[in-house]
Amino acid sequence: GAGVSQSPRYKVAKRGQDVALRCDPISGHVSLFWYQQALGQGPEFLTYFQNEAQLDKSGLPSDRFFAERPEGSVSTLKIQRTQQEDSAVYLCASSPLDRGDNEQFFGPGTRLTVL
Amino acid sequence: DAKTTQPPSMDCAEGRAANLPCNHSTISGNEYVYWYRQIHSQGPQYIIHGLKNNETNEMASLIITEDRKSSTLILPHATLRDTAVYYCIVSLNAGKSTFGDGTTLTVKP
Repeated sequence: GAGVSQSPRYKVAKRGQDVALRCDPISGHVSLFWYQQALGQGPEFLTYFQNEAQLDKSGLPSDRFFAERPEGSVSTLKIQRTQQEDSAVYLCASSPLDRGDNEQFFGPGTRLTVL
Repeated sequence: DAKTTQPPSMDCAEGRAANLPCNHSTISGNEYVYWYRQIHSQGPQYIIHGLKNNETNEMASLIITEDRKSSTLILPHATLRDTAVYYCIVSLNAGKSTFGDGTTLTVKP
């Protein structure tokens, strides 16, 4: 079956541009997560949705970062006025339930390069 | 979520068992131990998880010490395709998970 998909796979932006990254989770999955992964480091948590509710956004690095999941399925991570330090791979993951005993299924990521 | 400590790198001979350790001394009673791996340029892949008991699936075995302060992921017969970064995570609920920098496992022929 289809896994988590993300688009675009690669994005090059000029500093100051706004970008929007899309995540299509596995159908029916309740939970959705966004992570940021800098080169050579592990993924860092950004935000978490349970259906359409954003329950945790403690990892968003600044108010330039905004995530939404309006209908409880597809999610978009938006970065306004991109900076060079925003260059990273942005990973999306979904999981079927909303409890601790619950693996996450990851997408391939979007590699963002800010020039 | 509790913090985990893993060695930055390990080598293993092809066909031998790979034993990857993880310390999680501040784990709380209802936090799960998860293992994921990430092969270059791909998203992390779930391997296994456990709470108190040892677990085994088609990919690996997870051994959790009785005091739950450490665990070991065992790949019984490592292949070259098992070369990856392995992450140990402890997670209380369905939300935030802290990955750390993981262990880079290199399986050598």
